[in-house]
Amino acid sequence: AQSVSQHNHHVILSEAASLELGCNYSYGGTVNLFWYVQYPGQHLQLLLKYFSGDPLVKGIKGFEAEFIKSKFSFNLRKPSVQWSDTAEYFCAVRNRLAFGKGNQVVVIP
Amino acid sequence: DAGVTQSPTHLIKTRGQQVTLRCSPKSGHDTVSWYQQALGQGPQFIFQYYEEEERQRGNFPDRFSGHQFPNYSSELNVNALLLGDSALYLCASSSPGHSYEQYFGPGTRLTVT
Repeated sequence: AQSVSQHNHHVILSEAASLELGCNYSYGGTVNLFWYVQYPGQHLQLLLKYFSGDPLVKGIKGFEAEFIKSKFSFNLRKPSVQWSDTAEYFCAVRNRLAFGKGNQVVVIP
Repeated sequence: DAGVTQSPTHLIKTRGQQVTLRCSPKSGHDTVSWYQQALGQGPQFIFQYYEEEERQRGNFPDRFSGHQFPNYSSELNVNALLLGDSALYLCASSSPGHSYEQYFGPGTRLTVT
């Protein structure tokens, strides 16, 4: 069975601070990894994805994630957050998308 | 280009009743997946439909059933509703050969009283 763990479910940051959200997965097959974002009142949107190749993946809005196979991790990063990054972030694995519980990120202006 | 649409947006039902939720996929998409998102939780996979058949199923009881129509739209049916079925139900669609990359609709908020 596939499962996803996300830590630090509530994160509060000031603008310009760096953000890193951890994601660990357990899945024995071919790994397809995703980060989704849900802005207040909006749909889930795909932030970035990893299927194969370069383990450092760049997504929209300055986000990036690094796949580390040996650690079963796919951590999300952004060097300098903005108030508009306030949202809930979900890590997911594979095509039936096993989601983590999410990280509620609040950026204080 | 319309994205994934779902109806209704909100629904209130009583325990024991049955409910049908609807989803229209993004144009060009042929695969539809359904998820249940309880408050404060990540979405949980219910099942996926492709070519009008259930292709994969998550850990949900048989009270949850679905259907996909020739135009790729889909319905989720839940019978004998329980209070614990109260949640946001999300539909996601994906294009041929790209079932891993899913686009989500706004969801239907179901409240069971």
